[in-house]
Amino acid sequence: GQNIDQPTEMTATEGAIVQINCTYQTSGFNGLFWYQQHAGEAPTFLSYNVLDGLEEKGRFSSFLSRSKGYSYLLLKELQMKDSASYLCAVRGDDYKLSFGAGTTVTVRA
Amino acid sequence: DSGVTQTPKHLITATGQRVTLRCSPRSGDLSVYWYQQSLDQGLQFLIQYYNGEERAKGNILERFSAQQFPDLHSELNLSSLELGDSALYFCASSSSGESSYEQYFGPGTRLTVT
Repeated sequence: GQNIDQPTEMTATEGAIVQINCTYQTSGFNGLFWYQQHAGEAPTFLSYNVLDGLEEKGRFSSFLSRSKGYSYLLLKELQMKDSASYLCAVRGDDYKLSFGAGTTVTVRA
Repeated sequence: DSGVTQTPKHLITATGQRVTLRCSPRSGDLSVYWYQQSLDQGLQFLIQYYNGEERAKGNILERFSAQQFPDLHSELNLSSLELGDSALYFCASSSSGESSYEQYFGPGTRLTVT
């Protein structure tokens, strides 16, 4: 089975930086994904890591350490529209995606 | 717009009934995935089809079934509905069979069982 943990909620100020951590214990590993989901809407893909290290994509970066079973999503220069749920998902050796419960990020003015 | 379409957008039905949710994947995508998202649980993988055949099965109840047709659209059938089946049901598609690099999610069908 898969066990994926991430904080339930985080709050930050507009323009600031927020780091969302994700730890996982899975049966095999074939990649880690981050998705953004606004309330009542579909998840949208943000990033994918399969090798250790940092992937940068504009204001968003994602880091992976496979030996530690750990990833984080870094959101820089926060904007009000970044208020959403951020889902960490791991693809196991069965190639199925298992999602964490999500971290709700609230950006304050 | 992800290119994945789902119908209907909302569905309200009574316990014990049966409903069918429909999904059309992005043009060219062969894989279709179904997920359930309820308020108290995260996104739960239900089932995957690839080019008409079942590829992977997740936490799908026996009361639920799915299929993918030759034109690649998919249907999720939910029967003997219970109050706890009320949830958002998402369909996603990707190009290859093995949960490839990115899944594109449809807008979802909100099912309310009363």
